[in-house]
Amino acid sequence: EDQVTQSPEALRLQEGESSSLNCSYTVSGLRGLFWYRQDPGKGPEFLFTLYSAGEEKEKERLKATLTKKESFLHITAPKPEDSATYLCAAVRGNMLTFGGGTRLMVKP
Amino acid sequence: NAGVMQNPRHLVRRRGQEARLRCSPMKGHSHVYWYRQLPEEGLKFMVYLQKENIIDESGMPKERFSAEFPKEGPSILRIQQVVRGDSAAYFCASSRLGLTDTQYFGPGTRLTVL
Repeated sequence: EDQVTQSPEALRLQEGESSSLNCSYTVSGLRGLFWYRQDPGKGPEFLFTLYSAGEEKEKERLKATLTKKESFLHITAPKPEDSATYLCAAVRGNMLTFGGGTRLMVKP
Repeated sequence: NAGVMQNPRHLVRRRGQEARLRCSPMKGHSHVYWYRQLPEEGLKFMVYLQKENIIDESGMPKERFSAEFPKEGPSILRIQQVVRGDSAAYFCASSRLGLTDTQYFGPGTRLTVL
């Protein structure tokens, strides 16, 4: 069965402490891998789209990478305002399949 | 350049009533998707529509739920005879070119069934 799994479920970092979030997928014939950020009570906000293994995209303190089995969201020197839930999703058939998300808390 | 708009933002219904959720896609977007997010759970796909057509409704319960995206006007997600288990946040997303294009999400409608 096609699945998208994110780890860890929750991550606490000190401000400036870099880390990575993992998204592993078993979707056959991947046609796109998306990263979103979701703040409490709001809709997901688009971050990145990756289409092929080896692809990387960067935006401010965030960098997303993709291999044939997983994607990573690297956060460099995070700030408290980076605290949010980060979601990844894979295109499967006619739908986006979302992972459960990683809840990131950055303490000042 | 307005984003995806959803209304109402909050909706309270009693068991057995009907709920109508509206979604206006971004300008130039003809693909609309509906998702449901239950408390403490992830986003689950419900239905994918393109103007006047349902492309995939495999994530939508067969009974009580329906969706449309008419030629003119917003997309509507309709839930008849609501039950407490329908309480959730319902998100709409839109894209310009279809499924592999970026989907932009609206702020969601939070449905509470009393």
